[in-house]
Amino acid sequence: GAGVSQSPRYKVTKRGQDVALRCDPISGHVSLYWYRQALGQGPEFLTYFNYEAQQDKSGLPNDRFSAERPEGSISTLTIQRTEQRDSAMYRCASSLLRGATWELFFGEGSRLTVL
Amino acid sequence: SQKIEQNSEALNIQEGKTATLTCNYTNYSPAYLQWYRQDPGRGPVFLLLIRENEKEKRKERLKVTFDTTLKQSLFHITASQPADSATYLCALGSNDYKLSFGAGTTVTVRA
Repeated sequence: GAGVSQSPRYKVTKRGQDVALRCDPISGHVSLYWYRQALGQGPEFLTYFNYEAQQDKSGLPNDRFSAERPEGSISTLTIQRTEQRDSAMYRCASSLLRGATWELFFGEGSRLTVL
Repeated sequence: SQKIEQNSEALNIQEGKTATLTCNYTNYSPAYLQWYRQDPGRGPVFLLLIRENEKEKRKERLKVTFDTTLKQSLFHITASQPADSATYLCALGSNDYKLSFGAGTTVTVRA
């Protein structure tokens, strides 16, 4: 596709339910990132992949959060047993990884509300 | 721990003036610094990248400086226009390609 696509755009769930957020990066982009953004704050790093390999997951808040990118393209961020504090905008970004001007291309985000 | 600080107050300026935003960091030795623009409800959009061995970078009406001694970057929007109104984020990265973002500074340009 032309840009990074995230789904669902909005997700409302009840506390204790599992949610899966999907990211479809720009075709050919090697790297894929997950960030979480609270209102009025900058994006907070969660994890990133090069191809299918998870390079860094140091930003995942706890073991209820996991991410995968099994074929090096689409990625899923899964939150198990959701809690109200998980409510936030979850943003995915992709990148070519290399080049004179290296940049992240962000999707429109998935807004998660946990009731 | 690493800390990235941007102007804590929003910036309100008159059209045609220059907006200057600051990004200060501590406990970090970034290999490069990036600036992004974010409009309400949208994802951040890349503007400029400056590397640790570069002092200044320009792109159209935008200018970025990077002082690794002061641990500071300045972001200038010259001849500002109402369309420049947005939140501007600085982001620091090292050779591991992991970007850490500041909280952003909101700029409003009055016609």
